[in-house]
Amino acid sequence: EAQVTQNPRYLITVTGKKLTVTCSQNMNHEYMSWYRQDPGLGLRQIYYSMNVEVTDKGDVPEGYKVSRKEKRNFPLILESPSPNQTSLYFCASSLGTSGTGELFFGEGSRLTVL
Amino acid sequence: AQKVTQAQTEISVVEKEDVTLDCVYETRDTTYYLFWYKQPPSGELVFLIRRNSFDEQNEISGRYSWNFQKSTSSFNFTITASQVVDSAVYFCALSADSGNTPLVFGKGTRLSVIA
Repeated sequence: EAQVTQNPRYLITVTGKKLTVTCSQNMNHEYMSWYRQDPGLGLRQIYYSMNVEVTDKGDVPEGYKVSRKEKRNFPLILESPSPNQTSLYFCASSLGTSGTGELFFGEGSRLTVL
Repeated sequence: AQKVTQAQTEISVVEKEDVTLDCVYETRDTTYYLFWYKQPPSGELVFLIRRNSFDEQNEISGRYSWNFQKSTSSFNFTITASQVVDSAVYFCALSADSGNTPLVFGKGTRLSVIA
């Protein structure tokens, strides 16, 4: 089954404790991206990647890191989480490199930073 | 800069009513793509439609239809004979084809269809 898989789905952590949210897709998609969803703000792009070893900042990259060592994986790293990073996070992938195609989303990861 | 505005934060309709969700966008690019996504109460995001800037034909898919008008920079979404299962948050989004441009989402419209 074609899918984007995120883990963990739910996480409560404390300020400053590094964490990684993994994202993996099995559709051989070139483009992958991370979004955060906050009430009243909709979805905002954090980082995206058009291909292996190519990543770029979205609208709200501060406090996050990503890497794209393999085509299928695009982990989101919070080196020192803070409460303002409490949010619902979505990973997505798309065929092609431009990000202008249909996005396939993961189920979301709800992160709470205390 | 690109921008998507969904002025309607929340809409409530009674089942079987028609409802239109508005989307207004801003971009300087001549080649761009517009999208609608649905987020039902279960939380997942579901792709509904993608339209490129050179195709202004309206699209109909069952009870769903989309009206793209470049003259008013709008890409509105109409649900005909709404059903309770249409209750969701709907997002309009814009992506330009000019290289490294993030996909920009509107803030969403929460639609509640009441039986």
